[in-house]
Amino acid sequence: GQQVMQIPQYQHVQEGEDFTTYCNSSTTLSNIQWYKQRPGGHPVFLIQLVKSGEVKKQKRLTFQFGEAKKNSSLHITATQTTDVGTYFCAGDTGTASKLTFGTGTRLQVTL
Amino acid sequence: DVKVTQSSRYLVKRTGEKVFLECVQDMDHENMFWYRQDPGLGLRLIYFSYDVKMKEKGDIPEGYSVSREKKERFSLILESASTNQTSMYLCASSLTRGNTEAFFGQGTRLTVV
Repeated sequence: GQQVMQIPQYQHVQEGEDFTTYCNSSTTLSNIQWYKQRPGGHPVFLIQLVKSGEVKKQKRLTFQFGEAKKNSSLHITATQTTDVGTYFCAGDTGTASKLTFGTGTRLQVTL
Repeated sequence: DVKVTQSSRYLVKRTGEKVFLECVQDMDHENMFWYRQDPGLGLRLIYFSYDVKMKEKGDIPEGYSVSREKKERFSLILESASTNQTSMYLCASSLTRGNTEAFFGQGTRLTVV
């Protein structure tokens, strides 16, 4: 079945440093979504990418969808303590309503 | 705002019990999902449904079943709870096949003893 892996599993940065998480799918995706889960909370939708090679920005966050539509990345510039949480990618193959989540990257930011 | 409500925040059940986890969404979404979340494994899809009375197996359906008798309600059933089903269970819904942004409930922390 479809598998979605993320690396790294965990990253600890100092405030102001940059952070990147990578997402890789075993199958071609119709779209990729990114979610953030704060400690003790539930995943919350951040963004969806649909087109091959698409790049979207939300303030300090930059999202990319690979040319082959099998990988994606999330880059945070100049992290803040409010960025703490686990970031998940989620892939939709488009053939069904099934949404498969990645393994997640937990980000810890310290002063 | 879309609201997805799970019936319990915390549950403790005994091995062998039949367990029902209920989820209700109030935005007329077609798709509903049940995931379990375990450290290092991310969110794993148990079952999903794209219409009333329709259900599809996810990646880890063994030991679980589901029911969707009404559009707004999606129930997860553990036929005979086991300790390896101790986990955080998350329900989610999304509008339709072409619009799959998922909205999550607050989660149910199930402990099987």
